[in-house]
Amino acid sequence: DGGITQSPKYLFRKEGQNVTLSCEQNLNHDAMYWYRQDPGQGLRLIYYSQIVNDFQKGDIAEGYSVSREKKESFPLTVTSAQKNPTAFYLCASSIGLAKYEQYFGPGTRLTVT
Amino acid sequence: AQSVTQLGSHVSVSEGALVLLRCNYSSSVPPYLFWYVQYPNQGLQLLLKYTTGATLVKGINGFEAEFKKSETSFHLTKPSAHMSDAAEYFCAVSDRGVTGGGNKLTFGTGTQLKVEL
Repeated sequence: DGGITQSPKYLFRKEGQNVTLSCEQNLNHDAMYWYRQDPGQGLRLIYYSQIVNDFQKGDIAEGYSVSREKKESFPLTVTSAQKNPTAFYLCASSIGLAKYEQYFGPGTRLTVT
Repeated sequence: AQSVTQLGSHVSVSEGALVLLRCNYSSSVPPYLFWYVQYPNQGLQLLLKYTTGATLVKGINGFEAEFKKSETSFHLTKPSAHMSDAAEYFCAVSDRGVTGGGNKLTFGTGTQLKVEL
């Protein structure tokens, strides 16, 4: 079954700690994306990657970092520099061209206290 | 720059009634438009999309949407609401890669649909 997996579903961290969220896809998609979702704000783009070893900042990249060493994997690290890290994080992928829809993973809910 | 406005953060309908969720967009290029649905604590699922061609597009679960260029709208409808339709719905517009970054979607803030007996 093709799809996107995100792990873990729920994640708890203490303030000041870095944390890495996993995203894996077996759809053979070139492009991958990370979004942050907060109540009443829709989805905001953090980072995206069109091909392996290349990625670009989205609208709210400060305090986050990513890597794209393999086509199927696009992990997101939430660093201690992110001032408000508690949120629902969604990973997505697409074939690559603009008309193609994005497919979403189930999300990771991060709580930082 | 693109933007999406979804009028009404909460919409309530009776089971069996018409569902109408509004979406207006702003885009500097002919848009590609999408509707997604999200159930609690889950990812987003594509309902339907408009790229080119027929302006009335049909999606899953009986939903459809009409692209109206003159009104810059892409409203989502369903003739008869079902309890299982209760969810949050997001409208999105693609920049078609013109900003140099490939397929970037801009999302509206979402509309929570409640279906009452």
